[in-house]
Order: sequence, then structure tokens, then C-alpha cells
Amino acid sequence: SAVISQKPSRDICQRGTSLTIQCQVDSQVTMMFWYRQQPGQSLTLIATANQGSEATYESGFVIDKFPISRPNLTFSTLTVSNMSPEDSSIYLCSVPWGYNEQFFGPGTRLTVL
Amino acid sequence: GQNIDQPTEMTATEGAIVQINCTYQTSGFNGLFWYQQHAGEAPTFLSYNVLDGLEEKGRFSSFLSRSKGYSYLLLKELQMKDSASYLCAVRDSNYQLIWGAGTKLIIKP
Repeated sequence: SAVISQKPSRDICQRGTSLTIQCQVDSQVTMMFWYRQQPGQSLTLIATANQGSEATYESGFVIDKFPISRPNLTFSTLTVSNMSPEDSSIYLCSVPWGYNEQFFGPGTRLTVL
Repeated sequence: GQNIDQPTEMTATEGAIVQINCTYQTSGFNGLFWYQQHAGEAPTFLSYNVLDGLEEKGRFSSFLSRSKGYSYLLLKELQMKDSASYLCAVRDSNYQLIWGAGTKLIIKP
């Protein structure tokens, strides 16, 4: 199995500022996913981060708003830029494991005032 | 479009059995997953079905019918700690996971 940690676990931020969320995995993985989960909602995939290449963004998400770094096979960051209250959500990183499992980090609970 | 439907909320009694249904319409199918998510925590993997039929794992079982686009998660001998949200997800033809909104299960003594 993979153990995933995220920092920070929660934060309260002011409108217009940016927050960078870190995700650390205890094993080398090719793909890392970044999800958003708004209260009472489904998990929504923001982007897939691959080491050595640009992240692949899903429809509705753009690099200027959610820049991602993937400097090595165990680490990634997601920045939420120019935040607004609509960005208040839980942000989760996740890695696929084997053929039929996917492990999640503990999540970062973001509140934007 | 792609769609995963599951009930928003269900209530059951400690010690009883509950079945949580999931129907899906996706572009391709490469497996169906059930995850458990306690409030404020990350989802944890429960089960995976890719062939029709029932997969049993302790108190939890998951069933799949690909022709009907249907799955259910069966929880037996319910315990208070089973109070959580249960997420159904389907892996589509691009190997992307499409997630349902989750079913909040409330267990009463």
C-alpha cells in the first residue's frame, strides 16, 4: 500500500491570496491525481500530475488557477491561486496502486473568506 | 454524458443489513469501485468489481451487473462505526474514475 501525507491539513485564507498544498507519497509513483470535494458533493478530478511533464487538466480547470508541480516521483504540489469563497473545499491528492486500488491523502480543508 | 447515481442518504439499525445501490452510465467500463469515507477523512477502498456477480469481503459484499449498469454494496451486521458516506466510482474507457456523490449512511442504535 501507499501512505500519503498532505500539508497543510486545513487553512483559512483571504480572498485574492494563493495557497500551495503539498502531497508526499512514501513510494515512487508515476501518476498522482488532485481532486476537489465540495461539501456534500462528489469527488471532482482537477488534474493528473506526471513527473517530467505538464499536468493534464480536466474540463473546467486551468493551469493559471491551479498550477501543479511534480518535481519527482514521490512529491507534488497544487496551488490554488487568486482564491475566492467558491474555492472553499477539501483538496485531496491520490495515487493509483496496482490495477484496482487508489489511495488518498488525508485531504486539505480550505476555507476562503 | 457520464453519470453515477446513488441515494443521498440512508438510515439503518445497528445489527441489521443495508443495501446501497448505484447505477451508472459511462463511456466504457473498466471496473466499479466502492469507497468508504468517514466525515472529515479521506476515502478508503472497500471493493472492486469488474465481472458480473457478487464479491464478498467479510461483512461487506459488492454486486455488479454490467448489462444493467448496476451495482450494490451490502453491509451486514451493521456497527455504529459503519456510519459514513459510501462512494461508488466507475473507471471509464480512459481509465478515469467517475465518482458518484456518495450515500450518507446513518446507523441508529
